[in-house]
Amino acid sequence: AQSVTQLGSHVSVSEGALVLLRCNYSSSVPPYLFWYVQYPNQGLQLLLKYTTGATLVKGINGFEAEFKKSETSFHLTKPSAHMSDAAEYFCAVSPPSGGATNKLIFGTGTLLAVQP
Amino acid sequence: NAGVTQTPKFRVLKTGQSMTLLCAQDMNHEYMYWYRQDPGMGLRLIHYSVGEGTTAKGEVPDGYNVSRLKKQNFLLGLESAAPSQTSVYFCASSTPSGRYEQYFGPGTRLTVT
Repeated sequence: AQSVTQLGSHVSVSEGALVLLRCNYSSSVPPYLFWYVQYPNQGLQLLLKYTTGATLVKGINGFEAEFKKSETSFHLTKPSAHMSDAAEYFCAVSPPSGGATNKLIFGTGTLLAVQP
Repeated sequence: NAGVTQTPKFRVLKTGQSMTLLCAQDMNHEYMYWYRQDPGMGLRLIHYSVGEGTTAKGEVPDGYNVSRLKKQNFLLGLESAAPSQTSVYFCASSTPSGRYEQYFGPGTRLTVT
């Protein structure tokens, strides 16, 4: 069965510092990969996704992620954190063969705090 | 486009009471999903539907029922609420391909006392 692991339930960075949120997946077949962001008291919003092609994916708000098959990872980065980036971030996977249901498997989330 | 909407936004129930959460989407999506979100556990799939008139169980279906009588609506029912069902409930919809993201509603915060 597929699973998603997000290392670090809480991450704190200073404004202007690098943001790195880790995501590893377990799957015998490379899945489709997603990062979602949840701002306080809101629903989830897609940040970026990897399906096929270029392994470095750029998303909204300056975030990007790189799919590394050999490491089964899809870590999320942003060169310079803004106060507005404070939110909870979820990594999710969807098996390529899961088109019949398009079910997502979510990680447990990483709460990002940005210090002034 | 309103996207995915959920009704109500907040609700407090007493143990044993019943209620229905309504999800509506205006994107003509085939697939719809109900999740619950609990601290430290991410989102867990309760039930989902791949089309009008069809539903299936997800990861945590016990204590919930669903119906998809119209393509744009997906209802989640709690027949006899329990404190363990205190959670934030999210509805989502998508096109029938894993390549495409799910679109989420704003959530319903349910407290069962």
